[in-house]
Amino acid sequence: AQSVTQPDIHITVSEGASLELRCNYSYGATPYLFWYVQSPGQGLQLLLKYFSGDTLVQGIKGFEAEFKRSQSSFNLRKPSVHWSDAAEYFCAVGGYSSASKIIFGSGTRLSIRP
Amino acid sequence: DTGVSQNPRHKITKRGQNVTFRCDPISEHNRLYWYRQTLGQGPEFLTYFQNEAQLEKSRLLSDRFSAERPKGSFSTLEIQRTEQGDSAMYLCASSPSGTGPYEQYFGPGTRLTVT
Repeated sequence: AQSVTQPDIHITVSEGASLELRCNYSYGATPYLFWYVQSPGQGLQLLLKYFSGDTLVQGIKGFEAEFKRSQSSFNLRKPSVHWSDAAEYFCAVGGYSSASKIIFGSGTRLSIRP
Repeated sequence: DTGVSQNPRHKITKRGQNVTFRCDPISEHNRLYWYRQTLGQGPEFLTYFQNEAQLEKSRLLSDRFSAERPKGSFSTLEIQRTEQGDSAMYLCASSPSGTGPYEQYFGPGTRLTVT
């Protein structure tokens, strides 16, 4: 079955500290992977995506993610977080064979400690 | 602003009433999607249109739900005889069509509260 697991429900980090949010996926075909961010009361904004090529992808707001096929993982990282990064982060997977749905994880809520 | 827009942003209704939401996609996007997001969860796929054709529906979309995209532009999602379990954020997204994968661009959502 196709699924996305985000094992951390809530993470708190200090401002200026590094961040890594975990994501594992299960997908029978070549996966296309996404990270979205959602601020309270807002829609989803795409941070970055992986379709093919270099397994380390850069996104907006200083985020990056690394695709590791052997581990079925697509972890999100940022070297130094800012208070404005506090939000809900969703990892998601889609496939070339399906033009339709993206499957989302349940999200990780990020809090920033001053 | 040429992003995806949704109206209304908030809707409070009594159980048993019908509600309708509207989504206006990015103008050049042929694909339109509806998702539902409940508190503490990620969005769940409901249905998908390619132009005016509804090509896929999730089993989450019960008989009380109907979606249309009559002219291949905006879309509506109607819920009949609302139930308290329908309370959620309803998200619309759009993407280009053609070869290759594309990311989906999301609107701000419509938050439905059924009392």
